[in-house]
Amino acid sequence: DIQMTQSPSSLSASVGDRVTITCRASQSISSYLNWYQQEPGKAPKLLIYAASSLQSGVPSRFSGSGSGTDFTLTISSLQPEDFATYYCQQTYSTPQGFGGGTKVEVK
Amino acid sequence: QVQLVQSGAEVKKPGASVKVSCKASGYTFTSYDIIWVRQATRQGLEWMGWMNPHSGNAGYAQKFKGRVTMTANTSTNTAYMDLSSLRSEDTAVYYCARGRSSSAYWGQGTVVTVSS
Repeated sequence: DIQMTQSPSSLSASVGDRVTITCRASQSISSYLNWYQQEPGKAPKLLIYAASSLQSGVPSRFSGSGSGTDFTLTISSLQPEDFATYYCQQTYSTPQGFGGGTKVEVK
Repeated sequence: QVQLVQSGAEVKKPGASVKVSCKASGYTFTSYDIIWVRQATRQGLEWMGWMNPHSGNAGYAQKFKGRVTMTANTSTNTAYMDLSSLRSEDTAVYYCARGRSSSAYWGQGTVVTVSS
């Protein structure tokens, strides 16, 4: 199975900050990488698919990059509604596992 | 609009089975795979498997093989996830979602509690 490792597991930031979350795959997954945002008590929300494609309706402050084994989710200017937990997911092979999550908290 | 509506909360005893449903609307049901993901309290997301409503083909995470069955009824546009031999560690919120390459549409989640 491909292991997905996210870092950091949590971070504290302020509104307006630039935030970067990384995700590393245990083997190459090309660009088969999605990013999701999850608020407490809610279903995950797709932000980025295929490593760098912005899902329709998602604000442009979110961006994704990377290929192979190393990927990044960037929030260019953190907004109050962005305090949540973020997960990466590989869809290269079954099981299409998720990273452990990164909780973005108020500083 | 695309919607996935899941069945209500379940409380089961250890060793029992649970069947969670996921009714789809707003799109052609047979055109997209359905995946199932679960989340224990204060834990991360765990991918369980996928199924194709058109072909009936399914693929499961090794962890659940032998205990999980994913099916669909194309006449009612409903997908099902059946998990047997329940144990306390299966207590979680279970989600269905549309699409295997990326999942833009999710059900609201079904809480399954396993307790004696």
